[in-house]
Amino acid sequence: GESVGLHLPTLSVQEGDNSIINCAYSNSASDYFIWYKQESGKGPQFIIDIRSNMDKRQGQRVTVLLNKTVKHLSLQIAATQPGDSAVYFCAESASGTYKYIFGTGTRLKVLA
Amino acid sequence: EPEVTQTPSHQVTQMGQEVILRCVPISNHLYFYWYRQILGQKVEFLVSFYNNEISEKSEIFDDQFSVERPDGSNFTLKIRSTKLEDSAMYFCASTREGQGGMGYGYTFGSGTRLTVV
Repeated sequence: GESVGLHLPTLSVQEGDNSIINCAYSNSASDYFIWYKQESGKGPQFIIDIRSNMDKRQGQRVTVLLNKTVKHLSLQIAATQPGDSAVYFCAESASGTYKYIFGTGTRLKVLA
Repeated sequence: EPEVTQTPSHQVTQMGQEVILRCVPISNHLYFYWYRQILGQKVEFLVSFYNNEISEKSEIFDDQFSVERPDGSNFTLKIRSTKLEDSAMYFCASTREGQGGMGYGYTFGSGTRLTVV
């Protein structure tokens, strides 16, 4: 069951629809951004990344958009599938540091 | 596909006891990390390690924590005297490049769930 801690925002989408997950990042010096997927009981799994000199990057069924002006990142998943159900985290990193700062996370539920 | 391996998957320990969490990073990676995730919360940075020394650490990583790369393959996190609030999932990660290479970021292990009772 649910445990104490941060209440994750949840996005519910119908199978086959597109999903958009949003993230606001905090550090204007961040120049590298990553989206991770975390399934229950597993470690974060890399999905897609983008550097600050880009505003869009596409992968297989996924697209990341970066708006540096408002410090906003989004992940678009096309034709969402049941296997996409997970918690999605954005993470930011700045050159000269070795750490990622993770966002709060969004739970994606895919409805059959 | 290469993996980061963590052992044990679950560790239960008495408050005040020492624990060592073990990780085998990907063999050609040079940068190593520990993160933790308290249940239901976000992933938090603990420490990064490169060239046999700590590169960066967070305020969470106090004197009770230490890391070591005792040989060419293992990377360990030691908590000297565990507290109840150390209960969390601990993730090891590694990468070839410090910030994570374009197109792959870090590779995380599956984690060790530490329960302090």
